[in-house]
Amino acid sequence: GQQVMQIPQYQHVQEGEDFTTYCNSSTTLSNIQWYKQRPGGHPVFLIQLVKSGEVKKQKRLTFQFGEAKKNSSLHITATQTTDVGTYFCAGSNAGGTSYGKLTFGQGTILTVHP
Amino acid sequence: GAVVSQHPSWVICKSGTSVKIECRSLDFQATTMFWYRQFPKQSLMLMATSNEGSKATYEQGVEKDKFLINHASLTLSTLTVTSAHPEDSSFYICSARSAAANEKLFFGSGTQLSVL
Repeated sequence: GQQVMQIPQYQHVQEGEDFTTYCNSSTTLSNIQWYKQRPGGHPVFLIQLVKSGEVKKQKRLTFQFGEAKKNSSLHITATQTTDVGTYFCAGSNAGGTSYGKLTFGQGTILTVHP
Repeated sequence: GAVVSQHPSWVICKSGTSVKIECRSLDFQATTMFWYRQFPKQSLMLMATSNEGSKATYEQGVEKDKFLINHASLTLSTLTVTSAHPEDSSFYICSARSAAANEKLFFGSGTQLSVL
């Protein structure tokens, strides 16, 4: 079945430093989504990438979707303590009956030291 | 944005009892809902896909007779953990897919189940 690998598992940064998490799928994706889960909370949708090579920005967050639609990254510039949480990527298979069913990466736990 | 209500938020039960968890989409119709299980500091593991008016589709390794899913309406799906055992203790979370929002998933707040 489809696998989505996400690295790193943990990332500790000083406030103001940049942060990047990477996702790699074993299969071509129809789209990839990113979620943030605060400690004790539930995942909250951040963004969806659909097009090959797509880049989207949300303030300090930059999301990329690879040309082959098998990998993606989330980059946070100048982290703040409010960025603390676990960031998950979730991929959807291209076509077939699994269209729309997401496979989540393992998540990257980000801690930011003030 | 769309709201998904999940309750209870937490439940403690004795081994051998059954627990029902409800997932409701409050302001949109969800033909598809998903049930996940999440262990501490781990990813969300999809358990089953719940489709309104039809049988749920379970992921490999998930016992359908133990985790009963019912999706009787476009706004409600329920997960019943039958004959719960301590190893069933986990964080269960549902999500509802909004067809109007291009497959965007909206998550419930989750249910922490502790089986004594």
